[in-house]
Amino acid sequence: EVQLVESGGGLVKPGGSLRLSCAASGFTFSSYRMNWVRQAPGKGLEWVSSISSSSDSIFYADSVKGRFTISRDNAKNSLYVQMNSLRAEDTAVYYCARNIRRLVGAIFSDAFDIWGQGTMLTVSS
Amino acid sequence: DIQMTQSPSSLSASVGDRVTITCRASQTINSYLNWYQHKPGKAPKLLIYAASSLQSGVPSRFSGSGSGTDFTLTISSLQPEDFATYYCQQSYSTPQYTFGQGTKLEIK
Repeated sequence: EVQLVESGGGLVKPGGSLRLSCAASGFTFSSYRMNWVRQAPGKGLEWVSSISSSSDSIFYADSVKGRFTISRDNAKNSLYVQMNSLRAEDTAVYYCARNIRRLVGAIFSDAFDIWGQGTMLTVSS
Repeated sequence: DIQMTQSPSSLSASVGDRVTITCRASQTINSYLNWYQHKPGKAPKLLIYAASSLQSGVPSRFSGSGSGTDFTLTISSLQPEDFATYYCQQSYSTPQYTFGQGTKLEIK
């Protein structure tokens, strides 16, 4: 079964750090770009970060740039995000999501086809 | 940055109704538009990619249309399991994706 399972969430004080993990199974993890997406309480989905299959292409949302670091270990089929200098506004459910790229007509279309169930991060004193 | 605006923000409808949700991009994104369904406590689910292609396993009552800046998601006959929040997402400025703010579909 194709599956993503996040872990590592919890309660952290403002200014603190935490690392989230995402374990992949049922597919060739090393072949796919991966993403982190979050949803703050009562808010919508927000893309956070993306990493290519070989880790040579990494992007961040402006809201986390300089504070979050995405990484992956293809040998362990795992995705990570190291979160530093945490703020109250980082409180959210964090999802990992697989990026699939398909040729549709004349365009290569990207979408997130597999998602985990999410892990909750609460930043509060 | 490309901004995505959905309307309405919330919608009440009945089982069997035909429902349309719209999504507008702040600049042209060709057909680089995806739709997701999200239920509380669950993983989001991809419904439509590339504006109008149905994701494998998604019921045919879901359809998408549009190109450029204006897009729609249509549910032809609402089923009880369709009550959820729906998001559009642009994949034009890949991989710096942007979601719309969501449309919450509730039972009337």
